[in-house]
Amino acid sequence: ETGVTQTPRHLVMGMTNKKSLKCEQHLGHNAMYWYKQSAKKPLELMFVYNFKEQTENNSVPSRFSPECPNSSHLFLHLHTLQPEDSALYLCASSQGARRGENNEQFFGPGTRLTVL
Amino acid sequence: AQSVSQHNHHVILSEAASLELGCNYSYGGTVNLFWYVQYPGQHLQLLLKYFSGDPLVKGIKGFEAEFIKSKFSFNLRKPSVQWSDTAEYFCAVLSYNTDKLIFGTGTRLQVFP
Repeated sequence: ETGVTQTPRHLVMGMTNKKSLKCEQHLGHNAMYWYKQSAKKPLELMFVYNFKEQTENNSVPSRFSPECPNSSHLFLHLHTLQPEDSALYLCASSQGARRGENNEQFFGPGTRLTVL
Repeated sequence: AQSVSQHNHHVILSEAASLELGCNYSYGGTVNLFWYVQYPGQHLQLLLKYFSGDPLVKGIKGFEAEFIKSKFSFNLRKPSVQWSDTAEYFCAVLSYNTDKLIFGTGTRLQVFP
């Protein structure tokens, strides 16, 4: 399989549940990202990992906890979420995480999350 | 705060009409510019990008965009749209000052045959 894959594609969870989103990139990239896409709002960058190190946490609440065990895999652990956290969560990867011609980001299909 | 503005939220066109979607950003300094497209039920895909050089950039499927530095703009154009261009289009800007890729709110394009 090529590109960026995300599982699950859809997730419904209660506010007291704990779940995890998974992202895998098959592009040999070194940087991975989590974004939140809500209706009528711009994509919001949540986290950036470069060579497995977190380089950006965009003031994300602690109920979202990322994990990057290697350059190919990225997780987003979810616990005690709120209904307003319902959104499409997108994973992306790029060759590099900083300025320059290798920073084009490739996106996965997203996980549609509904918090009840 | 740094921002990216897409003026048209929803555009409706007939096939063969010309398209121009506006994108303006608020950063100074060096930027990298992108247009992404999201077809119904599909993931975000890169349409075209500008890093340096010729400010007129050609992308896939007949799209092009022009970087006008003095106007902080990167408008997307296509001379003749097709029904298959129905999608949501996102402008994104990476400022060398912040190293963050900031997206606009998107423009929903509907093309009717």
